Amino acid sequence: ETGVTQTPRHLVMGMTNKKSLKCEQHLGHNAMYWYKQSAKKPLELMFVYSLEERVENNSVPSRFSPECPNSSHLFLHLHTLQPEDSALYLCASSQSGQGLLYEQYFGPGTRLTVT
Amino acid sequence: QKEVEQNSGPLSVPEGAIASLNCTYSDRGSQSFFWYRQYSGKSPELIMFIYSNGDKEDGRFTAQLNKASQYVSLLIRDSQPSDSATYLCAVKDNYGQNFVFGPGTRLSVLP
Repeated sequence: ETGVTQTPRHLVMGMTNKKSLKCEQHLGHNAMYWYKQSAKKPLELMFVYSLEERVENNSVPSRFSPECPNSSHLFLHLHTLQPEDSALYLCASSQSGQGLLYEQYFGPGTRLTVT
Repeated sequence: QKEVEQNSGPLSVPEGAIASLNCTYSDRGSQSFFWYRQYSGKSPELIMFIYSNGDKEDGRFTAQLNKASQYVSLLIRDSQPSDSATYLCAVKDNYGQNFVFGPGTRLSVLP
């Protein structure tokens, strides 16, 4: 496979469930990101991993827990979510370095519905 | 709070016309600028990036950057109905890994 892949593509979960989202990139990048996209709101950056270390955490609730075991894989562990957490969760990857041009490439997203 | 602003639209243009999409940003330290296209129900797709003042052309797309005015735009020449989508502007500084996205402008190209 090429590019950035995400599984599952759709997920419905209850508020007491625990689930995980998976992202894999095949682009040789060394930075990975989780974004949340809700209706009529800008993309919200949740987590950034660069060289497998978390470098940004934009005050995301603890019910979201990221994991980056290596530069190609990224997980988002979910537990006791709220209905307002229903959204499209997007994974992205980019090259990380001192250069200016390190654009992000997005996966297809996971459409999450919390019931 | 770093902000990126875009007119939410919808911006409607006739087929074959030039569509002009605008974006302003608040952080003067921003160094890299990106335009993404997002079709309904799909993920954002990178169209262009620019980091120097002036114009950058790629096919029917031209990105324009004016750092003094903190303004970046995207021109789409010979607009096609298939260009109908939401266009996201993203800005990145030179220090961290934080990309800040604007809310997007919805473009509708009318046949």
